[in-house]
Amino acid sequence: NAGVTQTPKFRILKIGQSMTLQCTQDMNHNYMYWYRQDPGMGLKLIYYSVGAGITDKGEVPNGYNVSRSTTEDFPLRLELAAPSQTSVYFCASSYPGGRSYGYTFGSGTRLTVV
Amino acid sequence: GQQLNQSPQSMFIQEGEDVSMNCTSSSIFNTWLWYKQDPGEGPVLLIALYKAGELTSNGRLTAQFGITRKDSFLNISASIPSDVGIYFCAGQLGAGNQFYFGTGTSLTVIP
Repeated sequence: NAGVTQTPKFRILKIGQSMTLQCTQDMNHNYMYWYRQDPGMGLKLIYYSVGAGITDKGEVPNGYNVSRSTTEDFPLRLELAAPSQTSVYFCASSYPGGRSYGYTFGSGTRLTVV
Repeated sequence: GQQLNQSPQSMFIQEGEDVSMNCTSSSIFNTWLWYKQDPGEGPVLLIALYKAGELTSNGRLTAQFGITRKDSFLNISASIPSDVGIYFCAGQLGAGNQFYFGTGTSLTVIP
């Protein structure tokens, strides 16, 4: 199984450009998440989804949008890139309930906005 | 958002030494997780804790859910070079499956 797959791995954007970070999982997990990780900081939740068609804001949603049309995919959209969005972005998924509901993370997308 | 404080922020140790790190919060959590992140990769779950006082091991790693439910501890015995990475704690306040992450402890093992 591939687990959680993120693309691209690296990207450089100019201020004001837009892009979509792709995330797909093949574990049939209901819950999916987008985090950003800044140097020396923990992971901050941007958006999450508890199932197809349902999304909700996390701690730091400003400047981002998401959609969840299928169980497998949870893309993150940056509409007008700003230098403050330079970060490493991680997508994660989980199956709710029970004692095995840790997150499975993708390998990350390193984004630089210049 | 919730603030989880991890300490120490970084550690430099000799191979073979034991390691201790902790995570504290002002809030009571009902689940604690410990993750390890290798350079250039996403975090990987090491240990999950589900009730106060619980002590769980995974090989050379042992983690404990603090009695107050506001803290958790991770110990690594007889460290080896592949233990290098950043260790994150994560806590869950209640049902809803949203976890808050600590700021991480960076571990360097000197051969």
